[in-house]
Amino acid sequence: LAKTTQPISMDSYEGQEVNITCSHNNIATNDYITWYQQFPSQGPRFIIQGYKTKVTNEVASLFIPADRKSSTLSLPRVSLSDTAVYYCLVGALLSNDYKLSFGAGTTVTVRA
Amino acid sequence: DGGITQSPKYLFRKEGQNVTLSCEQNLNHDAMYWYRQDPGQGLRLIYYSQIVNDFQKGDIAEGYSVSREKKESFPLTVTSAQKNPTAFYLCASSITPYLLAGDNNEQFFGPGTRLTVL
Repeated sequence: LAKTTQPISMDSYEGQEVNITCSHNNIATNDYITWYQQFPSQGPRFIIQGYKTKVTNEVASLFIPADRKSSTLSLPRVSLSDTAVYYCLVGALLSNDYKLSFGAGTTVTVRA
Repeated sequence: DGGITQSPKYLFRKEGQNVTLSCEQNLNHDAMYWYRQDPGQGLRLIYYSQIVNDFQKGDIAEGYSVSREKKESFPLTVTSAQKNPTAFYLCASSITPYLLAGDNNEQFFGPGTRLTVL
């Protein structure tokens, strides 16, 4: 199981771009990288998922270098409502030994 | 509306009592999951189910039990054997438990149940 490391917290201001880097040095060949967002007392919400290079959707971009040992979630032009905890997950095929769990996440605080 | 529901939102129980948390989904998803979240921490997997009548232990299954008699339902029982049951419990589902190249196998989460054992 690939272990992930993220910064505990990040501060930003409205309109800025926020980049959160997740380290996963022992990522396996079949592992995908997934990011979730969680607001207090709510369940996490899927943001983006990727395997390699760059993935972009309407809310974020995910940059994955060639060695895949890290990945960066990019949130463009954040607003106050983007204040949340962001989780990086690395995992692959579910098997009878599925042990994928969320780490402590990165608390992003956006200020006016 | 399609989605995943958990009830109740808040639950209080006396120490030593078993309690069952409900999780229902109408998304026609095969896979369902139970997580536990403690203050300031991430989610830890308790149990998961890939298909009806099948379930597997996650990282912290001790003191918990589940059943999957119906595709749409995956109740979690917190037993008296769970040493520290007070936590926020989250249920999730996904289309399949498998992640295939090019597929997006996101987990859809319910609103959670906050269990407090007095």
